[in-house]
Amino acid sequence: NAGVMQNPRHLVRRRGQEARLRCSPMKGHSHVYWYRQLPEEGLKFMVYLQKENIIDESGMPKERFSAEFPKEGPSILRIQQVVRGDSAAYFCASSPESPHEQFFGPGTRLTVL
Amino acid sequence: AQRVTQPEKLLSVFKGAPVELKCNYSYSGSPELFWYVQYSRQRLQLLLRHISRESIKGFTADLNKGETSFHLKKPFAQEEDSAMYYCALVTSGTYKYIFGTGTRLKVLA
Repeated sequence: NAGVMQNPRHLVRRRGQEARLRCSPMKGHSHVYWYRQLPEEGLKFMVYLQKENIIDESGMPKERFSAEFPKEGPSILRIQQVVRGDSAAYFCASSPESPHEQFFGPGTRLTVL
Repeated sequence: AQRVTQPEKLLSVFKGAPVELKCNYSYSGSPELFWYVQYSRQRLQLLLRHISRESIKGFTADLNKGETSFHLKKPFAQEEDSAMYYCALVTSGTYKYIFGTGTRLKVLA
């Protein structure tokens, strides 16, 4: 089992561009969670998804951010019109059920110029 | 509000010395607490959880509800223990991890 995969590992965008972060959960896991880690801070919960459903997006900024987990393919975290404050490490985790121990991916480090 | 506090950003100890990484939490219910470790260039991985009461890589952590603490301890630090350590809380019946800001442990030769 390859574990949770995230790509790209590093992403550079200019202000105003779109960022798309992908997460492939572990085999057999249908629950996906996204966390954001700003510099010098801990990981903060953003959104929890099951296949084709957003269960809890209470940690997601109301504007410019969206997430999906389609029936086929990876989960996508999309940030439109990025700003410098979006620069952070974005971690994805997955679990076979919930609540349950979560398994983390290596993260995507987003840098906004 | 639920919160996890790790007061030390950096902790340096010599090889063979005891280690204690502090974690305090704020939650009025029954918490589930975890320690995650992130070695250089690797992903976050679970080190231990209070429910299992295991000892992993020589580390132990005891939940002290009176002091709302879950400190991580190891009697003799090894160089390979150098990493970033995160304490995390899950409130009962939920799935959201609430993480502390992390402590970087450096074990010096």
